[in-house]
Amino acid sequence: DTAVSQTPKYLVTQMGNDKSIKCEQNLGHDTMYWYKQDSKKFLKIMFSYNNKELIINETVPNRFSPKSPDKAHLNLHINSLELGDSAVYFCASSQLTGPTYEQYFGPGTRLTVT
Amino acid sequence: RKEVEQDPGPFNVPEGATVAFNCTYSNSASQSFFWYRQDCRKEPKLLMSVYSSGNEDGRFTAQLNRASQYISLLIRDSKLSDSATYLCVVLSGGGADGLTFGKGTHLIIQP
Repeated sequence: DTAVSQTPKYLVTQMGNDKSIKCEQNLGHDTMYWYKQDSKKFLKIMFSYNNKELIINETVPNRFSPKSPDKAHLNLHINSLELGDSAVYFCASSQLTGPTYEQYFGPGTRLTVT
Repeated sequence: RKEVEQDPGPFNVPEGATVAFNCTYSNSASQSFFWYRQDCRKEPKLLMSVYSSGNEDGRFTAQLNRASQYISLLIRDSKLSDSATYLCVVLSGGGADGLTFGKGTHLIIQP
C-alpha cells in the first residue's frame, strides 16, 4: 500500500523520442507535484496540480506537459527528449488544508536519454 | 525563484558526535520551514518541521531565526544510520507553489 507510486522506475530512451511517466497517490491529497533532480542533486519544482487545475508552471520547456486525469493521478509527458532531460523525476503529493503541511514523495523515475 | 543555501559538505563525523548544519534563505516572506532527509538513490522524506520557538524530536533539534533568515539542525549522539543528505526546505506563498529545496548537506557518520 504505497502512498505515492511512480512508473517506470527506470527509463532509458534515445534523443527525439516521446515518453510518459505515471504517478498515483492513494493518500486522498488534493495537490500533486513534479520535481526534477539533476546530476548535481539539485531538486527543483516543475509543476503542481490542485484539484485538476495547474497552479504553477515553472520555466520548463513546453516539451514537458503534465496531465491529471483525476485527483489521484498526475502524469508527465515529455516530447522530443534531449540529453539534458536526463535526471531523476519525483512525483509528490500534499494536502493544502489541514494543520500540518507535508509533501510525500514517490520513489522517483531515473530517466536516461542517450 | 528565491534560493535556499546550504554547505554541501561532505561532513565526516565520528559516531556518537554532535553535528550541526545551517542554511539561509533569501525570501523574507517565507512561511514554513522543514528539514528533509534523502538517502542515496531514494526519495526525500520529511525529517522535521522547523518552528520559530525551536523544536526537538529525539536526538534532532531544529531552530529558526527569522530575523537572520537562518535555519539550523543539530544531531546529537550521531548514529551510522544518520548518514544521508539533509535538505533545508522552505515554503513560500501557498502550499500549491511547492517547496524550495537547498542543494543539501551530505553527512557521513564514521564508525
